[in-house]
Amino acid sequence: QVQLVQSGAEVKKPGASVKVSCKASGYTFTTYPMHWVRQAPGQRLEWMGWINAGNGNTKYSQNFQGRVTMTRDTSASTASMEVSSLSSEDTAVYYCARYGDGFDIWGQGTMVTVSS
Amino acid sequence: EIVLTQSPGTLSLSPGERATLSCRTSQSVSSSYLGWYQQKPGQAPRLLIYGASSRATGIPDRFSGSGSGTDFTLTISRLEPEDFAVYYCQQYGYSPPTFGGGTKVEIK
Repeated sequence: QVQLVQSGAEVKKPGASVKVSCKASGYTFTTYPMHWVRQAPGQRLEWMGWINAGNGNTKYSQNFQGRVTMTRDTSASTASMEVSSLSSEDTAVYYCARYGDGFDIWGQGTMVTVSS
Repeated sequence: EIVLTQSPGTLSLSPGERATLSCRTSQSVSSSYLGWYQQKPGQAPRLLIYGASSRATGIPDRFSGSGSGTDFTLTISRLEPEDFAVYYCQQYGYSPPTFGGGTKVEIK
């Protein structure tokens, strides 16, 4: 079946970086864009950016410009997102989501905790 | 960016009742790019409706979406026990895609 499986929870110190991966299966990975969305505790869903899984082109939210990098490995059907210069405000669940008709398939989420 | 305002914040209803959720956008959006999602505690959002009124794969027909311009509605015709959750609307026609603040549907 079509699914996205994300990497496991992370605990990071302020100033560090974190990389979250998202492995796709059940469909042709390069056909669909992949978006990244995060949800901080008690906050609404926040879009971070997206990557064209076919050609690797990216577009990032201005809120994360310069601090986020999205990549993909077509041989592994995996998209990844790295956030640098973490602060406590980056504590959140991070999701990858396939863009088909809407954000139609979501990963299970990766909890990232930033704490000294 | 386009701001989405959902109302009410919380809806207290009993199983079998009808739920009507509202989503208002700060500027007109194309109906083709308005979606609704359901989220349960500890789970990822699940797409219910795309294009304002089209049900996603596997979504029961008690869920329906409508609206245009700046006003959109999600209706659950008869609440089942598994429908008690938080619901979000989203516009994805303009960058950046944005989400509403959510409506929690709780058991009365």
